[in-house]
Amino acid sequence: EVQLVESGGGLVKPGGSLRLSCAASGFAFSLYTMNWVRQAPGKGLEWVASIGTAYIYYADSVKGRFTISRDSAQNSVYLQMDSLRADDTAIYYCVREGVGTTTYFLDYWGQGVLITVSS
Amino acid sequence: DIQMTQSPSSVSASVGDRVTITCRASLDISRWLAWFQQKPGKAPQLLIYAASSLQSGVPSRFSGSGSGTDFTLTISSLQPEDFATYYCQQANSFPRTFGPGTKVDIK
Repeated sequence: EVQLVESGGGLVKPGGSLRLSCAASGFAFSLYTMNWVRQAPGKGLEWVASIGTAYIYYADSVKGRFTISRDSAQNSVYLQMDSLRADDTAIYYCVREGVGTTTYFLDYWGQGVLITVSS
Repeated sequence: DIQMTQSPSSVSASVGDRVTITCRASLDISRWLAWFQQKPGKAPQLLIYAASSLQSGVPSRFSGSGSGTDFTLTISSLQPEDFATYYCQQANSFPRTFGPGTKVDIK
């Protein structure tokens, strides 16, 4: 069974930093592209970052402040968030991209972790 | 960036109704489109990928169609568990972008 479990959320002051972790299990982690997608309270979904086997992409809204990384030995993906702003407040989801027929599609989502940026 | 729009923004419907949601992309995305369902307090779930392919485990009352810039999600006979918000998303290019969502609620 595919499982994605996020951790590291919480309350942080504007300008602060936080590191999210996502522990993956139930699939061959090193073969899959992983993503972070966020959702501000009461709002829609916003893609944040992707890390594949040979590329990394970021949304313009986080470029230069957030860093996505992965550790295949730990079957984990991370999101280092620096220079946090109030508008970064959101639930952050760890999301797997499929392979084969579902390549490029977001097929499994974690339960999400809440980040609140407030003084 | 590719902009995604959805209509309607909300729809009130009854159990058994046929519901259709439309998604439009600002550029041709071929069939690189997905539909997600999200219930309150839960993570989104993939319903449809590649515009019309049903994700494993998703009931056959859900269907998708379209290509290029115009896409449709249809629920053939609305069930109580289908009351939720639905999002389209393009997987054609980065940045990945989502539609604003369509809330389906009880009439």
